[in-house]
Amino acid sequence: DAGITQSPRHKVTETGTPVTLRCHQTENHRYMYWYRQDPGHGLRLIHYSYGVKDTDKGEVSDGYSVSRSKTEDFLLTLESATSSQTSVYFCAIRATGEVETQYFGPGTRLLVL
Amino acid sequence: GDSVTQMEGPVTLSEEAFLTINCTYTATGYPSLFWYVQYPGEGLQLLLKATKADDKGSNKGFEATYRKETTSFHLEKGSVQVSDSAVYFCALIGSNDYKLSFGAGTTVTVRA
Repeated sequence: DAGITQSPRHKVTETGTPVTLRCHQTENHRYMYWYRQDPGHGLRLIHYSYGVKDTDKGEVSDGYSVSRSKTEDFLLTLESATSSQTSVYFCAIRATGEVETQYFGPGTRLLVL
Repeated sequence: GDSVTQMEGPVTLSEEAFLTINCTYTATGYPSLFWYVQYPGEGLQLLLKATKADDKGSNKGFEATYRKETTSFHLEKGSVQVSDSAVYFCALIGSNDYKLSFGAGTTVTVRA
């Protein structure tokens, strides 16, 4: 257990509305990540953060923005949700050590109608 | 760029059967390799990892050996249980890289 929580765990929203997902960690890890999981694609990186206010894009960043104002919180925002953003979203942290391993939160299931 | 290819599922087995899930990768340099497992309704859990050629990762009866000559990291378990039913993901992180590259996942169902 890497001390990662995500909220909400489930959300249903309508096309065109903004949505914010929250990832919270309790162990002061520097690196945090947002992935989406879709059938046949495994997990794909949306955005990541390497420190407070330091973020960068992943491979599927279009339509998403992130913010990190505190070490423990990493927010993912869908500015105007679309049906193609229906997915399961996972937050992860990177544990620095002998092997830089990522640990995942429980996920948020988002349905955009 | 880096990529991972794993065998397509779904895979259905009987209890106590032998499980193999093939995973091959493309990467420059010397990546670290991982297997993650996702049980129904849950997030991903790290199952095992290996950081250099010929390393063997093992956990919960699962094993995988880092084979640089064949760029493979196949997952094996000698005798599966119903509780091993899950989706298994092979992944890598390149040297000096920041992100994991995942395979598409393999769904395994074990029947009693």
